[in-house]
Amino acid sequence: AQSVSQHNHHVILSEAASLELGCNYSYGGTVNLFWYVQYPGQHLQLLLKYFSGDPLVKGIKGFEAEFIKSKFSFNLRKPSVQWSDTAEYFCAVNANTGFQKLVFGTGTRLLVSP
Amino acid sequence: GAVVSQHPSWVICKSGTSVKIECRSLDFQATTMFWYRQFPKQSLMLMATSNEGSKATYEQGVEKDKFLINHASLTLSTLTVTSAHPEDSSFYICSAMRVAGEDNEQFFGPGTRLTVL
Repeated sequence: AQSVSQHNHHVILSEAASLELGCNYSYGGTVNLFWYVQYPGQHLQLLLKYFSGDPLVKGIKGFEAEFIKSKFSFNLRKPSVQWSDTAEYFCAVNANTGFQKLVFGTGTRLLVSP
Repeated sequence: GAVVSQHPSWVICKSGTSVKIECRSLDFQATTMFWYRQFPKQSLMLMATSNEGSKATYEQGVEKDKFLINHASLTLSTLTVTSAHPEDSSFYICSAMRVAGEDNEQFFGPGTRLTVL
């Protein structure tokens, strides 16, 4: 069975600091990888996704993530966070079946102080 | 972007009653919708895959007779929690899959908070 680990449950940063959120998955086959964001009081939104090709993927709002197959990781990064990035971030994976049957990590709550 | 709505956004009910939650894709058709459950400070857990015109596919450990799913049209799926008990209190989130060639994407609803007294 697939599983997803997000090691940072809570992260607090000051504005302009750099961000890296860890995501590791366990699955031996080909996977599709996703990062979703949930702003306070809003629904989940897709930040970025990796299906194949360039392992460094760029998403919306300046976010990017790098797929490292040998480490089973898909860490999310942003060079300079803003107060508006305060949200909960979820990593998700599925077994190369498009967007179906997503397995989510436990989420990382990010607080950016102005 | 595509919009998915859920109704109601929150509901409080007495133990033993049934509660119906609606999930609608407002500006696209979705042959496949998903129902998730989220406990406090935990991740979203997939409960079932709802397929238009056919029976839902339930994940292991999810009681199909407890959580009835009906996907009667391309824009509406309903989840009915039957004979609800306090342990069913949770945040229920649906998503709808929009198919656009090879680029399929799940769009999520805002969730429904169920409290069973």
